[in-house]
Amino acid sequence: QKEVEQNSGPLSVPEGAIASLNCTYSDRVSQSFFWYRQYSGKSPELIMSIYSNGDKEDGRFTAQLNKASQYVSLLIRDSQPSDSATYLCAVNQKFGNEKLTFGTGTRLTIIP
Amino acid sequence: DVKVTQSSRYLVKRTGEKVFLECVQDMDHENMFWYRQDPGLGLRLIYFSYDVKMKEKGDIPEGYSVSREKKERFSLILESASTNQTSMYLCASSLWDTEAFFGQGTRLTVV
Repeated sequence: QKEVEQNSGPLSVPEGAIASLNCTYSDRVSQSFFWYRQYSGKSPELIMSIYSNGDKEDGRFTAQLNKASQYVSLLIRDSQPSDSATYLCAVNQKFGNEKLTFGTGTRLTIIP
Repeated sequence: DVKVTQSSRYLVKRTGEKVFLECVQDMDHENMFWYRQDPGLGLRLIYFSYDVKMKEKGDIPEGYSVSREKKERFSLILESASTNQTSMYLCASSLWDTEAFFGQGTRLTVV
């Protein structure tokens, strides 16, 4: 089992709709969770971080974490064409030091 | 602003060469990471470091080594480059338990 798994996509969503991206992780001791956005040819950039169970909202983005189910998701409301990118889920595992592991990413396309 | 700088944007090397990829960060971050990114495989961790002279193997360390002699600099070394090491290499740094910031990436081609 991979340490971090994402729905592989690609995912196409109409402009103005809600895009839902999902991620599961295998290690129960993981404590920190991140969503990154990566445009083609660019480096990943942070969208959201979440550390405790529940929802965290930032503008059009909402991250949801359920540690019991080992599940983290990202919702994008009122999707815009500029949201078209690959979204990467990352999990920070701690073994006395920190190992940041990424999923393979979900390619999202917003259709005008 | 946090800045993570990788020494080269593009590199072309020959099979068997020893290759050095350099990464420098200017925000006094404890953690530094080297990843490679290939289509369909996402970001895979090669090595990481949580302190000067400390290093830990990631998920795909074979064929690579690293050096961290100063806190701000983390070097990735390909001891004998092979064609299957052609990839995009990304360096990142972070403080404890916070997000990582990435460099611009080095696209390495081994011929």
